[in-house]
Amino acid sequence: GESVGLHLPTLSVQEGDNSIINCAYSNSASDYFIWYKQESGKGPQFIIDIRSNMDKRQGQRVTVLLNKTVKHLSLQIAATQPGDSAVYFCAENIGDYKLSFGAGTTVTVRA
Amino acid sequence: NAGVMQNPRHLVRRRGQEARLRCSPMKGHSHVYWYRQLPEEGLKFMVYLQKENIIDESGMPKERFSAEFPKEGPSILRIQQVVRGDSAAYFCASSPVNGEPQHFGDGTRLSIL
Repeated sequence: GESVGLHLPTLSVQEGDNSIINCAYSNSASDYFIWYKQESGKGPQFIIDIRSNMDKRQGQRVTVLLNKTVKHLSLQIAATQPGDSAVYFCAENIGDYKLSFGAGTTVTVRA
Repeated sequence: NAGVMQNPRHLVRRRGQEARLRCSPMKGHSHVYWYRQLPEEGLKFMVYLQKENIIDESGMPKERFSAEFPKEGPSILRIQQVVRGDSAAYFCASSPVNGEPQHFGDGTRLSIL
């Protein structure tokens, strides 16, 4: 499943499929980006980060891609599991400490 | 290794009262950040503090809101004379240094009657 159209707030994906969550960022001067996962009633949980001198970074089951030309960030989750259901936020780092968060994408995993 | 601890988890106040939100950063973290989240929105930066210093409070309303991070004890976000519009989830994050990932607590949900 893929969230196409950068303003789509929800993504429904079949368990076991790969998920792609997209995000546009606003500030071409941003040099550090983070993906967070937020479950209901909890705080944002760090997933993976990437700095602007890279275009790809991989973690456990997750990959972040950065396209600075079009100011676009994506998070790929391999073999999506029910525990991946949450709201996912991309955040850009402005001025070394302020994080500017996107609106978030709600991911629902279908069994 | 405890994460960022916030309390209380839920706080109910009547209009005009004061709300005090507390945040203990992760061990070894001296940088604290406060954010506010309205329902179905992303987090909005409020203030950034280091021990005994406010570094940037540009996201915090000029009136009624204040924050501190004393030499000893937790960081405190104080809202005086609360109004209905202050109802939100308030999250605290900490990091060891600038430029490192910020780790968040589970927030305080403030409700104003």
